[in-house]
Amino acid sequence: AQSVTQPDIHITVSEGASLELRCNYSYGATPYLFWYVQSPGQGLQLLLKYFSGDTLVQGIKGFEAEFKRSQSSFNLRKPSVHWSDAAEYFCAVGARGTYKYIFGTGTRLKVLA
Amino acid sequence: DGGITQSPKYLFRKEGQNVTLSCEQNLNHDAMYWYRQDPGQGLRLIYYSQIVNDFQKGDIAEGYSVSREKKESFPLTVTSAQKNPTAFYLCASRVTAGVTEAFFGQGTRLTVV
Repeated sequence: AQSVTQPDIHITVSEGASLELRCNYSYGATPYLFWYVQSPGQGLQLLLKYFSGDTLVQGIKGFEAEFKRSQSSFNLRKPSVHWSDAAEYFCAVGARGTYKYIFGTGTRLKVLA
Repeated sequence: DGGITQSPKYLFRKEGQNVTLSCEQNLNHDAMYWYRQDPGQGLRLIYYSQIVNDFQKGDIAEGYSVSREKKESFPLTVTSAQKNPTAFYLCASRVTAGVTEAFFGQGTRLTVV
């Protein structure tokens, strides 16, 4: 069965520190992969996506993610976190040939001033 | 500006009542989705529709109903059969051609009083 795991429920970092949010997926073929961000009480905004090609993808707000097929991972990174990055982050898998997306349970990021 | 509009932002329902959540998009997207979000559980798919006059049950469709009479609109009715309807509801849409991401509305928070 397809699944997405975000092992960290909460992460706290200091402003200016680097960030890595983990995402592991289970899927029989190469999936479509997404990272979304959600501020409290708001909808989800797409940060970046991977469909094929270069395994290091750049997104908005200075985020990047790397697809590692051997590890079934798609971790999100940012070299220097800003206080405005505090939010909840969701990793998602899109199943090829269907219209369904599978979301992880999210990682809530807290940024210390 | 193109986007997805969900209304109302906050909705209160008495036990035993049906209530309808509105979702309208002007992105000319064929596919539309309804997700339910509860703390710590990520997004769970309620219903999705690939084209007008067609929709499929998602993972948690019991107690919900939808219609898709127009391409732009995909209303969700939370019926009295839904035992625990208090949640944050998100509507999304995407194009159906090729590989694409989902775009989300700002959500409706439903509370049973």
